[in-house]
Amino acid sequence: GAVVSQHPSRVICKSGTSVKIECRSLDFQATTMFWYRQFPKQSLMLMATSNEGSKATYEQGVEKDKFLINHASLTLSTLTVTSAHPEDSSFYICSARVKGGGALDYGYTFGSGTRLTVV
Amino acid sequence: AQKVTQAQTEISVVEKEDVTLDCVYETRDTTYYLFWYKQPPSGELVFLIRRNSFDEQNEISGRYSWNFQKSTSSFNFTITASQVVDSAVYFCALRQGAQKLVFGQGTRLTINP
Repeated sequence: GAVVSQHPSRVICKSGTSVKIECRSLDFQATTMFWYRQFPKQSLMLMATSNEGSKATYEQGVEKDKFLINHASLTLSTLTVTSAHPEDSSFYICSARVKGGGALDYGYTFGSGTRLTVV
Repeated sequence: AQKVTQAQTEISVVEKEDVTLDCVYETRDTTYYLFWYKQPPSGELVFLIRRNSFDEQNEISGRYSWNFQKSTSSFNFTITASQVVDSAVYFCALRQGAQKLVFGQGTRLTINP
């Protein structure tokens, strides 16, 4: 259970175009989704947190207008990289919070990631 | 502020050796959760363990074991009799309260045949 499906797994786009990445929770309702970015041989850096039906909360230094996040339903969150440039090339991973046993006991399930290459 | 430090950037061992991955965390809260994830070359994050701050019992799952010591703020991960398939990047992570998950820098583990 608690599977997040992320698509596409790999995308190559031309500089200046926009790319949309989708994350779907398959067997649960994801009220909160997290979007991470990972550069080669580096750790995961949180970009933003999105809650269903409300605006995403972006981490400091992340451009809101460049990385558009939409969480319109309990099973779908999207990240759109607008006017992509080569420096946006990276590995993007989504994650959903999964409820555990207690009030604060929850884990996280991750999508399989999207490798974006901007040429 | 919360912080996770994985001082070992890369570790390389020969198959069947035991290996321990270190994780040291910083938090001011009394309630927090610690995680370990495995990231194989394919990129997806594989959940290994979640431990809350009130449970200091060590855990063993097959060849994997975890040592949680609040006194030293450490949550170390040991692989016994390592195998080539264990080669991956391993991340330790911390969540304090209802806040975001903070990852360590990761340790790249290479198991050589």
